[in-house]
Amino acid sequence: AQSVAQPEDQVNVAEGNPLTVKCTYSVSGNPYLFWYVQYPNRGLQFLLKYITGDNLVKGSYGFEAEFNKSQTSFHLKKPSALVSDSALYFCAGATGGGNKLTFGTGTQLKVEL
Amino acid sequence: NAGVTQTPKFRILKIGQSMTLQCTQDMNHNYMYWYRQDPGMGLKLIYYSVGAGITDKGEVPNGYNVSRSTTEDFPLRLELAAPSQTSVYFCASGQGTRDRGEAFFGQGTRLTVV
Repeated sequence: AQSVAQPEDQVNVAEGNPLTVKCTYSVSGNPYLFWYVQYPNRGLQFLLKYITGDNLVKGSYGFEAEFNKSQTSFHLKKPSALVSDSALYFCAGATGGGNKLTFGTGTQLKVEL
Repeated sequence: NAGVTQTPKFRILKIGQSMTLQCTQDMNHNYMYWYRQDPGMGLKLIYYSVGAGITDKGEVPNGYNVSRSTTEDFPLRLELAAPSQTSVYFCASGQGTRDRGEAFFGQGTRLTVV
């Protein structure tokens, strides 16, 4: 069985400060890991993915994520947060052919002035 | 580009009624998915399809049915609506193996069963 955990329901950060949204995974085999963002009353939008290769993955809107195999983590990061980054963020994982994504419970990011 | 289109956007059902949530995609994706989103629970996979004529159960299939007669369409059927089915439903599509699971989501259908 595979699972993805997001230990924080909410993360608050001041605009201009770096942000981190945490994700840990438990999957058998080589993991495929993803981050999605959801704005109010909208569907999920893809941010970035890790399949293989460099552990630091760069994605949309200045976000990046670091894959750490020893810690089974895939934390989402951004060097300088914007108020417009405020949204619900989901980590997801898949194995094999990536047919089925397993989602974490989501982390609400709030960026304040 | 339309992407993944879901209809309706909102619906209120009475207990025991039935309805079909429509989903269509214009990206020629083989893989399509139905998820439900409940507060604090993330997204749970209801059903998925890897191609026309092929469907399979996800984590929470009870109370739902699907069909996939064409590549474009993947409707979700609720036969006897129950309050536990109050949720936001998302349809998604992707290329599965080729895109390593990256999925494109519709805007969602907010369903309330009373």
